[in-house]
Amino acid sequence: DGGITQSPKYLFRKEGQNVTLSCEQNLNHDAMYWYRQDPGQGLRLIYYSQIVNDFQKGDIAEGYSVSREKKESFPLTVTSAQKNPTAFYLCASSMSQGQGFGQPQHFGDGTRLSIL
Amino acid sequence: AQSVTQLGSHVSVSEGALVLLRCNYSSSVPPYLFWYVQYPNQGLQLLLKYTTGATLVKGINGFEAEFKKSETSFHLTKPSAHMSDAAEYFCAVSRRPSGSARQLTFGSGTQLTVLP
Repeated sequence: DGGITQSPKYLFRKEGQNVTLSCEQNLNHDAMYWYRQDPGQGLRLIYYSQIVNDFQKGDIAEGYSVSREKKESFPLTVTSAQKNPTAFYLCASSMSQGQGFGQPQHFGDGTRLSIL
Repeated sequence: AQSVTQLGSHVSVSEGALVLLRCNYSSSVPPYLFWYVQYPNQGLQLLLKYTTGATLVKGINGFEAEFKKSETSFHLTKPSAHMSDAAEYFCAVSRRPSGSARQLTFGSGTQLTVLP
């Protein structure tokens, strides 16, 4: 079955350490997204990518970095510059806008990051 | 700029009762609107979406929503609640910053509790 796989499901980070969250999709989607979810705040967009080798900052990109070397993969690095990284991170993908507006986003099951 | 307001962060209903989750949006252009459901420690699953055409939209699991432009609302309803409906529900509006693909702005979510 096609879908989005996020790993690991739980991740712990020490102070001053960078960590990378994996996101892989086999839906043949062009666009991919990273969101951060905090209790009572809904989802906030960190980064998104419309095509390979291109990505754009979202609303809360500071302290995060991404790469898009392959269509299927969009890893997110939480750097030591992110002072409050404890959150639930969700990856999503969608068809390109050229294939019709209003395309829904499909989500992975998330990675929960905690600080030791 | 688009925004989404979900009235009521927590809603409780009895099993078999009507479910009504409220969503109001603001948008400077005709919106695309979505409802997602999230079960604990999982990603978001699309319930339904409105793009164009019929304003009453039917989704999965017996849910439906009606787009009312005059009221800028997109409330989610289900005639008879089931215990399995207990989850968090997110309303989202599609937005397009200049020069980029459409993105989603999410409401802060409504936690639905179904009482036996």
